[in-house]
Amino acid sequence: DAKTTQPTSMDCAEGRAANLPCNHSTISGNEYVYWYRQIHSQGPQYIIHGLKNNETNEMASLIITEDRKSSTLILPHATLRDTAVYYCIVRPGYNAGNMLTFGGGTRLMVKP
Amino acid sequence: DAMVIQNPRYQVTQFGKPVTLSCSQTLNHNVMYWYQQKSSQAPKLLFHYYDKDFNNEADTPDNFQSRRPNTSFCFLDIRSPGLGDAAMYLCATSRAGGLTSGRADTQYFGPGTRLTVL
Repeated sequence: DAKTTQPTSMDCAEGRAANLPCNHSTISGNEYVYWYRQIHSQGPQYIIHGLKNNETNEMASLIITEDRKSSTLILPHATLRDTAVYYCIVRPGYNAGNMLTFGGGTRLMVKP
Repeated sequence: DAMVIQNPRYQVTQFGKPVTLSCSQTLNHNVMYWYQQKSSQAPKLLFHYYDKDFNNEADTPDNFQSRRPNTSFCFLDIRSPGLGDAAMYLCATSRAGGLTSGRADTQYFGPGTRLTVL
């Protein structure tokens, strides 16, 4: 799996947009970008994924650069409950056996 | 709601005493995974079942075994727990599209079982 690089930690003010960057410069053409988050003492929660195009769902938006070497997860209006570790993962989409290789993630702290 | 369920949420066992953790799912997914997450670390895959086919990760110790009696249930057996096996154990499921589908299979996680070894 391609490796990802994320900042170790970030702070965000409540109500503001949280922009979490991820570098994946060695991503290959068939690899998707996935984002999960893990709130303390809970299982990881799927947020969003994409291949080439920008994606949006009820939780977040995913912006992927044209060369696909980096992406940004956007939480448009962060709340205190968004405080968690956010993992950016790249993996092929076609093989069920491909594990999610979690890196260090970004610890997002949303502050009042 | 369709979900991934893990029981118990907290498990205490003694050094060397076998322990079994369970996972069930109502998503009717054909792939089930077990991850180990130690304190302040990221989750690490131990093994997964693709339908009935068991796939072990190369660095998973022999002390860890798994059973999947049917689509809905999967068990993690730790034959002789050591102090270093204390961790959160996470079960996940996905619906695989197969090798040629080209469709990403998203994994959905249960809440985890926190294992303490005394």
